[in-house]
Amino acid sequence: DQQVKQNSPSLSVQEGRISILNCDYTNSMFDYFLWYKKYPAEGPTFLISISSIKDKNEDGRFTVFLNKSAKHLSLHIVPSQPGDSAVYFCAASDGDKIIFGKGTRLHILP
Amino acid sequence: ETGVTQSPTHLIKTRGQQVTLRCSSQSGHNTVSWYQQALGQGPQFIFQYYREEENGRGNFPPRFSGLQFPNYSSELNVNALELDDSALYLCASSFWGGYTFGSGTRLTVV
Repeated sequence: DQQVKQNSPSLSVQEGRISILNCDYTNSMFDYFLWYKKYPAEGPTFLISISSIKDKNEDGRFTVFLNKSAKHLSLHIVPSQPGDSAVYFCAASDGDKIIFGKGTRLHILP
Repeated sequence: ETGVTQSPTHLIKTRGQQVTLRCSSQSGHNTVSWYQQALGQGPQFIFQYYREEENGRGNFPPRFSGLQFPNYSSELNVNALELDDSALYLCASSFWGGYTFGSGTRLTVV
């Protein structure tokens, strides 16, 4: 039973356009959400996070939106750049453990 | 599908002791990687095993060692524990780039 779901295994976006990565969760006890970016043979790199008391957090080209009623969060990357091609993981924490989604592979097309 | 299970979930050890953490891989996944996530930081890559052999290693000293078994489950061993080894240890199994993370073992060294 997956508590954190990323339903799109892969996504292709034209360079310069907006990339939107989606994530759904089931556990209402999660109060902190994170996005990680991963290149091959490296560990996930922290990108951006959001607390459950907020509905939006922005950091440069990256914005995370949280819809608690829908148990849904999304990561927006604007504008998308070639270096953004990687696997993106959504993760959720209840303060005790962290649960990762399976990842979405983002391809930025020239 | 079975997920990735890590054991134990929590552990307290004394400085200088040795610890073994365990990870069962998702069925069909032949690659396992281990990560250390210290408080407030992203996961740091420790090493990766593919078909029982180490095929990638991050910047961790030799006292961090591992094993992968024929059933693709694995162990992380840490000798001569130091206080800074206190962290959440994550394992992830993968097959052709699809990752499944365990929920971690929280190790506290006192």
